[in-house]
Amino acid sequence: AQSVTQLDSQVPVFEEAPVELRCNYSSSVSVYLFWYVQYPNQGLQLLLKYLSGSTLVKGINGFEAEFNKSQTSFHLRKPSVHISDTAEYFCAVSYNQGGKLIFGQGTELSVKP
Amino acid sequence: GAVVSQHPSWVICKSGTSVKIECRSLDFQATTMFWYRQFPKQSLMLMATSNEGSKATYEQGVEKDKFLINHASLTLSTLTVTSAHPEDSSFYICSAAKRDRGNEQYFGPGTRLTVT
Repeated sequence: AQSVTQLDSQVPVFEEAPVELRCNYSSSVSVYLFWYVQYPNQGLQLLLKYLSGSTLVKGINGFEAEFNKSQTSFHLRKPSVHISDTAEYFCAVSYNQGGKLIFGQGTELSVKP
Repeated sequence: GAVVSQHPSWVICKSGTSVKIECRSLDFQATTMFWYRQFPKQSLMLMATSNEGSKATYEQGVEKDKFLINHASLTLSTLTVTSAHPEDSSFYICSAAKRDRGNEQYFGPGTRLTVT
């Protein structure tokens, strides 16, 4: 079955430190990959997406992610986090453009002063 | 822009009653909308895919007679939770696919349903 695994349920980090949120997916076919952020009691906002082309994808709020086909990973990174980055982050995969999304379990990023 | 709204943002209803949640794409037309359910501290689970003018496609395990979906226009899809029970309490989120953005999904702000 197709699945997405976010390896860390919670990631505490100090302000201005770098962070990496890990995401692995299971697939032997081409995929489209996404990272979303969710603030409390709100919907999802797209941070970035990989559809094709360059494996390094830059998104909003200083986030970036790298698609690694051999490791079936799409880890999210930010070199220096802010308090305002505290939120839940979801990795998602789609197996056709515009198709349904399969979400990972989510990673709670907690940025402390 | 691509704005998706949901109404209401929160609702409390008594067990046994029905409640309707609206999902609107405000500045674009969406032939496809999706309905998700999210339990506290958990991920989003796709409930159904709603296509304008046709019947919704439900995911395995989702009761179509309990969660009625209507996609009557290119900007509106509704989810009706019939005969609601406390276990239906959840956060319901919709998304709308924007065709000129490769059918990228834009998410609504969610509706918090509490059944007492």
